[in-house]
Amino acid sequence: GAVVSQHPSWVICKSGTSVKIECRSLDFQATTMFWYRQFPKQSLMLMATSNEGSKATYEQGVEKDKFLINHASLTLSTLTVTSAHPEDSSFYICSARKVAGAYNEQFFGPGTRLTVL
Amino acid sequence: GNSVTQMEGPVTLSEEAFLTINCTYTATGYPSLFWYVQYPGEGLQLLLKATKADDKGSNKGFEATYRKETTSFHLEKGSVQVSDSAVYFCALRSTGNTPLVFGKGTRLSVIA
Repeated sequence: GAVVSQHPSWVICKSGTSVKIECRSLDFQATTMFWYRQFPKQSLMLMATSNEGSKATYEQGVEKDKFLINHASLTLSTLTVTSAHPEDSSFYICSARKVAGAYNEQFFGPGTRLTVL
Repeated sequence: GNSVTQMEGPVTLSEEAFLTINCTYTATGYPSLFWYVQYPGEGLQLLLKATKADDKGSNKGFEATYRKETTSFHLEKGSVQVSDSAVYFCALRSTGNTPLVFGKGTRLSVIA
C-alpha cells in the first residue's frame, strides 16, 4: 500500500510558539490531503481539506489563522500551529488521497503528538 | 449531517474468542462504509470496505456486511489473535470527494 509519513512524530513546545508538522506521501502523488485532530478516547475530527496548489478548506469551528495549511506540492502538506496554547495539545493526523474519485482510498500518516506547555 | 456511532471500548477478549464491534451510521444517500485499524504506534490502515447495500467486506478473517435496513456495518471475526489488539474505527464517506467521517474508535485487547 501507499505510505504517508509525518514529521515530527512528537513535539513539545512552549506556549506562544509556532509548530510546523509535515506530511509526505512517499510513493505516490496526493492530489488531496486531509488534516485530522484526535482527542483522547475520541474520534478523528476533520480539520481541513487541502488540494495541491489551492487554499485549504477548513471545517466549521477550525481557525484558519491558527492552523495554517500549505499544500505546496503533490507530495507535501504542512500544518503550522501558530501561537500554540495548551488547549492545542492533541494528536494530529494527516491523510492523503491518490487521485480524485468516489472510492479512492485515503492513506494515513502515523500522527504527531503535540504537547504545549 | 453524517455521523458514525460505534460501541465503546475497551473490549478485552481471550485468544480464539468471537469478536463483534457494532457500528451504525447516519447519512444521506448511499455512503461507502469502512473499517480502519490502528496498531500501536502506527497510522490508520484500511481493513475492509463495502460500497453498496448487502456488500460484504472481508480481510484477514474480519468481515462486515453493509446493512442499509438497519444502517449498520458491524465488524466480526470468528477467532481473534493477540496480534489483533488495536483500535478499530468505523467510517463512512458519503459521495464524491468528501472526506471520511469516523466513529470514536474501539480499543480491542486480546489476551493469550
